[in-house]
Amino acid sequence: AQSVSQHNHHVILSEAASLELGCNYSYGGTVNLFWYVQYPGQHLQLLLKYFSGDPLVKGIKGFEAEFIKSKFSFNLRKPSVQWSDTAEYFCAVRGTYKYIFGTGTRLKVLA
Amino acid sequence: EPEVTQTPSHQVTQMGQEVILRCVPISNHLYFYWYRQILGQKVEFLVSFYNNEISEKSEIFDDQFSVERPDGSNFTLKIRSTKLEDSAMYFCASSPRDNYNEQFFGPGTRLTVL
Repeated sequence: AQSVSQHNHHVILSEAASLELGCNYSYGGTVNLFWYVQYPGQHLQLLLKYFSGDPLVKGIKGFEAEFIKSKFSFNLRKPSVQWSDTAEYFCAVRGTYKYIFGTGTRLKVLA
Repeated sequence: EPEVTQTPSHQVTQMGQEVILRCVPISNHLYFYWYRQILGQKVEFLVSFYNNEISEKSEIFDDQFSVERPDGSNFTLKIRSTKLEDSAMYFCASSPRDNYNEQFFGPGTRLTVL
């Protein structure tokens, strides 16, 4: 069955700390992977995506993610978080006609 | 840059009433989707639509739900008889003809059923 797991449900960091959010997927077809951010009260915004090629993907706002096929993972990273990164982060994999989202990780960055 | 738009941004309705949520996908897109997000939970797929037909639907998308593309620009989600548990944020998305792998999401409609 197609699924996405995000193991960190809540993360609290201080400003300038490094961030890594885990994402594991289960999907048998060609893998297209995404990370979305949802700021409080706002809609989904695409951070980055992986379709093929270089497994290290760079996105907006200084985020990057690494696709590791052998581990079925697509972890999100940022070397130094800011207070403005406080938001919920969703990993998603594309299924046949739909996206399958993980349960999300709430990130709180303390100023 | 073209965007998916949704109206209204917030809809309040009484239980048992019918609601229609409206979406205007990006103009040259051919694949359309609805998702919902119950407060505090993950985003869940409802339905995908292509060539005036439903391509796939989830178990959530029961007989109370329907979708329609009434003209060349709108894509609607109708809930016939709303229940309290239908309260959620509903997101519309669309994909272009040449890249249905990527979906572009609208800002959402918050539906509150009283």
